[in-house]
Amino acid sequence: DVKVTQSSRYLVKRTGEKVFLECVQDMDHENMFWYRQDPGLGLRLIYFSYDVKMKEKGDIPEGYSVSREKKERFSLILESASTNQTSMYLCASIGTPASTIYFGEGSWLTVV
Amino acid sequence: GESVGLHLPTLSVQEGDNSIINCAYSNSASDYFIWYKQESGKGPQFIIDIRSNMDKRQGQRVTVLLNKTVKHLSLQIAATQPGDSAVYFCAEGGFRLGTGANNLFFGTGTRLTVIP
Repeated sequence: DVKVTQSSRYLVKRTGEKVFLECVQDMDHENMFWYRQDPGLGLRLIYFSYDVKMKEKGDIPEGYSVSREKKERFSLILESASTNQTSMYLCASIGTPASTIYFGEGSWLTVV
Repeated sequence: GESVGLHLPTLSVQEGDNSIINCAYSNSASDYFIWYKQESGKGPQFIIDIRSNMDKRQGQRVTVLLNKTVKHLSLQIAATQPGDSAVYFCAEGGFRLGTGANNLFFGTGTRLTVIP
């Protein structure tokens, strides 16, 4: 029973390319998040959204943007990919009031 | 075996032993805490959570203890099995001021290795 789906598991992109990472949840959650996970650094919050068309910067938003046009979909955009954005990206969602957060399986992005 | 959490990122235990993974959190206003397990190549999976009005909660083979006085969280795994080998993250959660949105703040994780 898949709850949070990240459409791309593995991507290889060139420096300067525009990259879209898509995330869809089927639990009607208001809050959605994008994290990146790097060895030794844990999960770091990039952006989150608490409602359609609403977004808030997380701890490391530089070089990223997001889009939340529909409640179930939260997209992470790299306008011009750079090698330091090579990482594993995790999408997550949580309902209101606070409940269990569900993660997607992750998207491994390599920028060459 | 016991880990001091973020300062000792690797814990090795014998199969059948109990494991204790520790975590220190920073925000005294956090109102819920969660433990996640992440296996190689997969996203984090929820294990157990606890609210700030509790100090202990038990699940299947797992127990989470919360000590708000010293801002400490621990995960105990009974009779550790090879399938328990993974990275374990603690997370503290609460609302981000001004938005009403839930958010979680994660530790860097502890790698548990179970020796058969």
